Formats: sequence, C-alpha cells, structure tokens
Amino acid sequence: EVQLVESGGGLVQPGGSLRLSCAASRFTFSNYWMSWVRQAPGKGLEWVANIKPDGSEIHYVDSVKGRFFISRDNAKNSLYLQMNSLRVEDTAVYFCVRQDWGSWAFDIWGQGTVGIVSS
Amino acid sequence: SYELTQPPSVSVSPGQTASITCSGDKLGDKYVCWYQQKPGQSPVLVIYQDTKRPSGIPERFSGSNSGNTATLTISGTQAMEEADYYCQAWASGTGVFGGGTKLTVL
Repeated sequence: EVQLVESGGGLVQPGGSLRLSCAASRFTFSNYWMSWVRQAPGKGLEWVANIKPDGSEIHYVDSVKGRFFISRDNAKNSLYLQMNSLRVEDTAVYFCVRQDWGSWAFDIWGQGTVGIVSS
Repeated sequence: SYELTQPPSVSVSPGQTASITCSGDKLGDKYVCWYQQKPGQSPVLVIYQDTKRPSGIPERFSGSNSGNTATLTISGTQAMEEADYYCQAWASGTGVFGGGTKLTVL
C-alpha cells in the first residue's frame, strides 16, 4: 500500500524551530511533486509548500515565505519541512501529501503530525 | 491572492441530492479537486480535474465547473457522507483551498 508517514511534530515556543519529516513507501518517490498542507485546530486546510521531483522548483504560501523551507532526499524517499521563526498561528496538523503525476491532485495523504507553538 | 469561497454548511436528507458550491474568479479556467474529510481523519480525494472520480469513489459523487463556480454533487446521499468537503485549485503555481463546507445528513 502506498504510504506517507510524518514525524517531527512537537511543542515549541514562539520564535523556535521544528523540522518535520515524511517517509514515503511503495511508490517511486522521485517521480512526484510533493506538498505540505496544514490544518489549524478546528479550521480548514491550507496549502503550505511544494517541491518538484528533482528539487529544482519550490513554491510557498505567502505567510511562510522566508521562514519555512521544503526539501527532499530522493535517495531516502523522504520529504522535509524546516520551520523557523515559528508563530502561535503556525500551530496545526501538518500533512505530507503526494501530488498526482498528471493532474496535480492531492491523491495520497499522510496521517499528519502536530506542531504546537505556545509559550 | 486567489480565493475560493464555499458555504460553511449544507444539509441534506438521506437519499436526496447534496450540492456544494465553490466560487472563484474565472474558476472555470482552472481544474478543481474536491476532498472529503471526516473527523479525526486525513482528507480523501473524491473528484479531480473537475469531473473525474478516483478509483474506489462511488458513482454518486460527481463534479462540474463552469464560469466562476464549481459544484460537487452527491446523489442519493448516505449517512456515511456526512463530513467536511473542500474544493481546491492551483493559481500561479500555488495551491488554494476553499474554506470548507460541513455536510450534514439528517
């Protein structure tokens, strides 16, 4: 079964950092664009960032530009999100998501990892 | 930045047809996806490229997109379809979600 498993969430103070990881299995990770999508408590989905299969193209939502950095290691079938200068409003469940090769639909989702920013 | 607007809630009786709208400027020029999310679970793709259903999604789920409005239609709605539904599109290389619609089956 195709699978994405996130890790790295936790509790951090405002201004701090977290590094999220996502392990992909049972598909050719290096062929796919990958995204991070987050969901604040009781709120809707928000796309955060994505990265091209070879890592040469990256996009971010405006609210995280300059603070969050997406990367990937195709040899390790892994996706990462380095989150710096964290704010209370970054508190959310962070989902690792595969973009379908042709349609760019979010066709495979991880179970999510929780990042809490609080003093 | 591009915005997608959904009604916060929609109610439907079991066996009836539910329609959830998603509006955005010239949305018909973009491909729209729809996701279903049940409490405590990750979202599931139910419609992509406006009208297509992934394997395993029942035929009662359908979609359309024209002008400024995309619509998710669930025919013969069952209790198990009670969930939050999100529309999504791409604008200038960035992903955009609608605010979500809570579908209540009562």
